[in-house]
This record gives sequence, structure tokens and C-alpha cells, in this order.
Amino acid sequence: DTEVTQTPKHLVMGMTNKKSLKCEQHMGHRAMYWYKQKAKKPPELMFVYSYEKLSINESVPSRFSPECPNSSLLNLHLHALQPEDSALYLCASSQASRSTDTQYFGPGTRLTVL
Amino acid sequence: AQKITQTQPGMFVQEKEAVTLDCTYDTSDQSYGLFWYKQPSSGEMIFLIYQGSYDEQNATEGRYSLNFQKARKSANLVISASQLGDSAMYFCAMREGRDGGFKTIFGAGTRLFVKA
Repeated sequence: DTEVTQTPKHLVMGMTNKKSLKCEQHMGHRAMYWYKQKAKKPPELMFVYSYEKLSINESVPSRFSPECPNSSLLNLHLHALQPEDSALYLCASSQASRSTDTQYFGPGTRLTVL
Repeated sequence: AQKITQTQPGMFVQEKEAVTLDCTYDTSDQSYGLFWYKQPSSGEMIFLIYQGSYDEQNATEGRYSLNFQKARKSANLVISASQLGDSAMYFCAMREGRDGGFKTIFGAGTRLFVKA
């Protein structure tokens, strides 16, 4: 079973709203990731959690706040977003036994900020 | 400098024919992994195939094979017997072992159109 699930599939929010994206994996993986993907571009890494610790924190605006409650769950809290934050947000996981492990992605959340 | 280069923004192939999607990479690391992902219009990134830098045999997974030429630093994806459902964006990606830090480097992608 290589399933990574994400909710919601679609989200429309105003610039003053607070919302959260959720990701769950049942593969026993110890690394989880958030990516942002704009149309016709490759995914861009936002955050990595390995063994529930934030390993890489890119220069992502503070209006994006990741949370890893346990090794199976990863949330992305959204606050005061801008229209340019509209994108596909992809969650992924990997075993984390070595840095070249395969990443498996979820179906993504399409976010629209009005 | 680009670490993953996909030079074909778009490709057309006739149904049932084979197609090769090009990918070249650049790394000074001895240990690395090369990946291909398929992304249909629905958005999900689907893992297709993996090649490790120390693997001597080319990877194969069903209709997908990876033509790995280490000296040329190329990792082309070959799809045999194309199907209409193969129409999608394809990304080549690399993860480096020593300095990778769990990052995945993606190419710009190739959009494949399969014609009936």
C-alpha cells in the first residue's frame, strides 16, 4: 500500500481566513514533505519533516506554518494568504532510511486564494 | 546551474508506439537516485521508476524502462506501447545521497500527448 491521502481536495479561501491542509500516510515512512506547485512548473519544496523534526526550512513566508503531530500526519496551517499563494499543494512521504529513498505523493490540494 | 534538464517541453506519440523522454543530470555526488514521475491533469504525482547510481542494470517497471547512461549523465524514460492514458506531464527528478538533505530536484517536465 503506497497511499498518501490529502484533505481537502479543493479549498477556496479569502485573504483573512485561517485554514489547514491535512496529509496522512500509512506506509510507516519517517519523512514527510510539503510542496507547492504552480501551473506548468515543477513542484517546489516548502518543508521537510524527518522523524518528526523539521529538517529543512526553506525561505517560505510565515503565513505557512507546518505541523507534524506524529510520524503519520502532516498539517499545513494557512493564515493571511495572498492571491499568489494559489497553487496545487502536494504532500509526500519517504522511508528516510537514506536521502535517496523514493518519495510517494498524495493527490494534492488545489488552493485558490481570493 | 540546472541539475536536471529536460529539453523536450512537449512530445507527440502515436498510440501503441514507443516514446523516449530525455533527461540529463548533473551531480558530483557518487550516490544518487534518479526518478520519473507522471502527473496527469488531476494533479497527482505518480511514481513510475527508480534508478540508483550504483545499479548496473537499467530499471524496468512494466511498460516503463529507464535508459541509464552514467558516463553521459543521462536517464531517459522509455514508454513502450503508448496508451491514451499515458498523456500527462512527466518529471525527471534526482535525490543526492551525501549532500541531498532529503531534497528532490525536479526537471521542468515534458508534456506527452498520445494520439489515437
